[in-house]
Amino acid sequence: EVQLVESGGGLVQPGGSLRLSCAASGFTVSSNYMSWVRQAPGKGLEWVSVIYSGGSTYYADSVKGRFTISRDNSKNTLYLQMNSLRAEDTAVYYCAGQRGGLLAFDIWGQGTMVTVSS
Amino acid sequence: QLVLTQSPSASASLGASVKLTCTLSSGHSSYAIAWHQQQPEKGPRYLMNLNSDGSHSKGDGIPDRFSGSSSGAERYLIISSLQSEDEADYYCQTWGTGIRWVFGGGTKLTVL
Repeated sequence: EVQLVESGGGLVQPGGSLRLSCAASGFTVSSNYMSWVRQAPGKGLEWVSVIYSGGSTYYADSVKGRFTISRDNSKNTLYLQMNSLRAEDTAVYYCAGQRGGLLAFDIWGQGTMVTVSS
Repeated sequence: QLVLTQSPSASASLGASVKLTCTLSSGHSSYAIAWHQQQPEKGPRYLMNLNSDGSHSKGDGIPDRFSGSSSGAERYLIISSLQSEDEADYYCQTWGTGIRWVFGGGTKLTVL
């Protein structure tokens, strides 16, 4: 079964850091485009970051310079290192796979909640 | 600027059909999109890719009740024989160079 399972969310103070993980099964992270997408409470979906199969990375302007996407091929796992966290980063973070190409997120995880508050 | 516009809400009766609309911003009418479903308290679920000519390819296990069509800058998600579990938020999404990935604001579908 193809599956993505996120972990690492929690409560963190403004200015703090957190690392999210996304373990994949049933497909290979390094062979696909992989993204992080977030959803603030009661709001819509917002793309955060992508890592291409070749290793290139891109970020939304709202997180550029603060977040870093990476992967561990040996663990078939995607990561999101989040630094200098702000209240507006509070959201459920989903990892998403793009097995069919750049356009669509065709596999989603269940999400992990990140709350930034003092 | 690449923007996707969706009506905030829609409703239809159990067993009926509904057509949800996603409108691409000016100058982007040739773009393909994807549709996603998000049931209450769950993560999103990919439904389909939808091209400007109306051709579409669905995700694994998506019922035949779900289909798509296109007209100009509008992309439609059609759900027939509505069931209670179809009550959800529906998001359209696309990709553009330099813009990266964009989502519409979502449509909340109520099944009456």
